[in-house]
Amino acid sequence: GAVVSQHPSWVICKSGTSVKIECRSLDFQATTMFWYRQFPKQSLMLMATSNEGSKATYEQGVEKDKFLINHASLTLSTLTVTSAHPEDSSFYICSARDGTSDHYEQYFGPGTRLTVT
Amino acid sequence: GQNIDQPTEMTATEGAIVQINCTYQTSGFNGLFWYQQHAGEAPTFLSYNVLDGLEEKGRFSSFLSRSKGYSYLLLKELQMKDSASYLCAVREGNYQLIWGAGTKLIIKP
Repeated sequence: GAVVSQHPSWVICKSGTSVKIECRSLDFQATTMFWYRQFPKQSLMLMATSNEGSKATYEQGVEKDKFLINHASLTLSTLTVTSAHPEDSSFYICSARDGTSDHYEQYFGPGTRLTVT
Repeated sequence: GQNIDQPTEMTATEGAIVQINCTYQTSGFNGLFWYQQHAGEAPTFLSYNVLDGLEEKGRFSSFLSRSKGYSYLLLKELQMKDSASYLCAVREGNYQLIWGAGTKLIIKP
């Protein structure tokens, strides 16, 4: 099956610093990637949708200048949390859709746990 | 508006059967998904329904009624490893999913 990787799997950073999270589709071309955030015991919250080569579409309430998304290639999207604060501590998950097939499924990465101290 | 409802938590016994319900109200409908998520891990795909009826896949089955805005996930022969959260999600347009809050399933011996 299709595999999506994320790196790093966990990261601890100091308040005010920036953190970059990578999401890669390993064996398919991901024309569309999604970034989610999940707080403990809560459901997934879609942050943004990114299409390769174009600007990401952010959900209401998500600051695009704080959460920078780049989808420069068909296999890589990055999420950069800028000037991180403790309230940004969360589980960040990406998913990808294979745009070259009719398959309907979104494939999820293993997630990145971010802790801001 | 968009709304997807699932029970917050359910408890069942190992070896038994459990049904997790999901009701939805969305502006469009292009398929309903069920995902399983273990604590601290990303969701994994379980099933997809776009037409009315029952889809069976091993111990798991999923049912859809579009006219009622209703789906359920049926888990048979429950195993301890089935303890997880089960997420219902509706695809409105081409690809974006609207997620329910998830149902935490606790399996007891």
